[in-house]
Amino acid sequence: DAKTTQPPSMDCAEGRAANLPCNHSTISGNEYVYWYRQIHSQGPQYIIHGLKNNETNEMASLIITEDRKSSTLILPHATLRDTAVYYCIVRVAGSSTGKLIFGQGTTLQVKP
Amino acid sequence: GAVVSQHPSRVICKSGTSVKIECRSLDFQATTMFWYRQFPKQSLMLMATSNEGSKATYEQGVEKDKFLINHASLTLSTLTVTSAHPEDSSFYICSRASGTPGLEFFGPGTRLTVL
Repeated sequence: DAKTTQPPSMDCAEGRAANLPCNHSTISGNEYVYWYRQIHSQGPQYIIHGLKNNETNEMASLIITEDRKSSTLILPHATLRDTAVYYCIVRVAGSSTGKLIFGQGTTLQVKP
Repeated sequence: GAVVSQHPSRVICKSGTSVKIECRSLDFQATTMFWYRQFPKQSLMLMATSNEGSKATYEQGVEKDKFLINHASLTLSTLTVTSAHPEDSSFYICSRASGTPGLEFFGPGTRLTVL
């Protein structure tokens, strides 16, 4: 599975959009981009995933560049409860034996 | 609501004792569950894949005789840390596979402290 690069930390003002970037320049054509987050001392939580089209759900939006070498997770109106470590993971979706490889992620601090 | 539970949420034990951690799938019969370990200020590392009715698959470097995994039913997987030592102190998290590869539902984690 391709490697991802994320900034170690970011700050965001409460109520503003949080844009979390992820670089995955070696991504293969059959690899999806997954986003999870982990609030302190809890298990990770799935947020969203996509292949090449932009995706949106009740939690966030995922914007994937046309060349698929990078993506951005957008939390449209960040709240204090969105403070967490956000992980961008690339994985072959069709493989039932593939595993999630967590990197260091981005620590997002939402400030009042 | 939660779809995966873990018990206990935290445990403190003496060095040399064994500790069992339970992971339950609350809403789905899970043939595959995963066990992760997370040391302080580090990321999650997959330890093993638990398969109902068969032997678990361990990641490289994880001692299968030390971390015993039993997945005897479609809703319960257990991880037993045998002869625990202080270096086994960690946050242990389980997850269950969903119908979508790559999409896992995680439990709340178990904090193990070995004195």
